[in-house]
Amino acid sequence: SAVISQKPSRDICQRGTSLTIQCQVDSQVTMMFWYRQQPGQSLTLIATANQGSEATYESGFVIDKFPISRPNLTFSTLTVSNMSPEDSSIYLCSVDDSSYEQYFGPGTRLTVT
Amino acid sequence: SQQGEEDPQALSIQEGENATMNCSYKTSINNLQWYRQNSGRGLVHLILIRSNEREKHSGRLRVTLDTSKKSSSLLITASRAADTASYFCATSGSGNTGKLIFGQGTTLQVKP
Repeated sequence: SAVISQKPSRDICQRGTSLTIQCQVDSQVTMMFWYRQQPGQSLTLIATANQGSEATYESGFVIDKFPISRPNLTFSTLTVSNMSPEDSSIYLCSVDDSSYEQYFGPGTRLTVT
Repeated sequence: SQQGEEDPQALSIQEGENATMNCSYKTSINNLQWYRQNSGRGLVHLILIRSNEREKHSGRLRVTLDTSKKSSSLLITASRAADTASYFCATSGSGNTGKLIFGQGTTLQVKP
């Protein structure tokens, strides 16, 4: 299984600012995924990030709010822009392996004040 | 939108007892995966079951899948206090896009 790391593990940010979350995988993968988990809720897919192409966003998520970069096959970033308290969540990245099992990073716990 | 529904939402049992969690979904799937999450941390992958499989085992875990009923169950046998966590099912639809739709989760408490 892939080993995934995320930075930062947690942060407290002021409203109106932006935070960039990094996701690093120990092997090359085609697709990386970003999920959001709001307090006490389940996970919701934000977008799919493929290397060399624009990220594909799910309904309710837009590029201006959640810009994503995918510069190579082992790395991706998610930026949460112009934050408000409603953005307080855990943000997780994930990758598939060849047998379609999907593995998650440890998450970034974001609190917006 | 969330496709999966899980029940119960919360389950409290004594150590040594078995815990069963159920997951239902609405559309055709390619596979279904179960995850564990401890105290809002990252998700731990437990098991994947494909649409053409009916049952899988991994240690104390047993997963069943009934595609005719669009439902799956996770059984944890001989539970331990360390099994206390939230458990989520997640489905992947046809086309192997990798996109997962998560259920609402079951919070399991195992009392020592």
